[in-house]
Amino acid sequence: GQNIDQPTEMTATEGAIVQINCTYQTSGFNGLFWYQQHAGEAPTFLSYNVLDGLEEKGRFSSFLSRSKGYSYLLLKELQMKDSASYLCAVIDSNYQLIWGAGTKLIIKP
Amino acid sequence: GAVVSQHPSWVICKSGTSVKIECRSLDFQATTMFWYRQFPKQSLMLMATSNEGSKATYEQGVEKDKFLINHASLTLSTLTVTSAHPEDSSFYICSARDPGVSYNEQFFGPGTRLTVL
Repeated sequence: GQNIDQPTEMTATEGAIVQINCTYQTSGFNGLFWYQQHAGEAPTFLSYNVLDGLEEKGRFSSFLSRSKGYSYLLLKELQMKDSASYLCAVIDSNYQLIWGAGTKLIIKP
Repeated sequence: GAVVSQHPSWVICKSGTSVKIECRSLDFQATTMFWYRQFPKQSLMLMATSNEGSKATYEQGVEKDKFLINHASLTLSTLTVTSAHPEDSSFYICSARDPGVSYNEQFFGPGTRLTVL
């Protein structure tokens, strides 16, 4: 079966750095997304990785290792508004989007 | 970027009534739209894939006669929850794929919160 694992919840301090990991086992791979979702709102796009390596976009970076079935989202200089759920999603060989359960990130002052 | 709208944002209805939710792609033509449901503190669950001009493809366990999907044009898909019951209360989110985007990003609507009394 297809599976995406990410931690259920993480806590970090304002101004610090946090890394949210995602491991996946899917039938094929055509890319990996990270989305941010605030409570009661729809997900918003953060990043897309299809090749190995690090993609940096401002305070957020996303890393992919296809051989390890592993990705992480790195958030720097954390702000209170970064408190949200972060969803990892993989496009499989049928171009279906397989979703992880999401990681709830709690930022403390 | 591509914009997707949903209407209504929230709806409260009585048990046994039907509710229609609209999903529109505002600045692109979406041949494929997706309908998700999300219960509190849970991840998105794909309900169905809506293809313009053809029947929707439903995920296992989703009743196609209860959740009617119509994708009549390249910019509009509708989800009708028929004979709604309290257990159908959820956050319904649509998304659309923009053919002009090289990778398979899905652009999400703002969601519709349905409460069935």
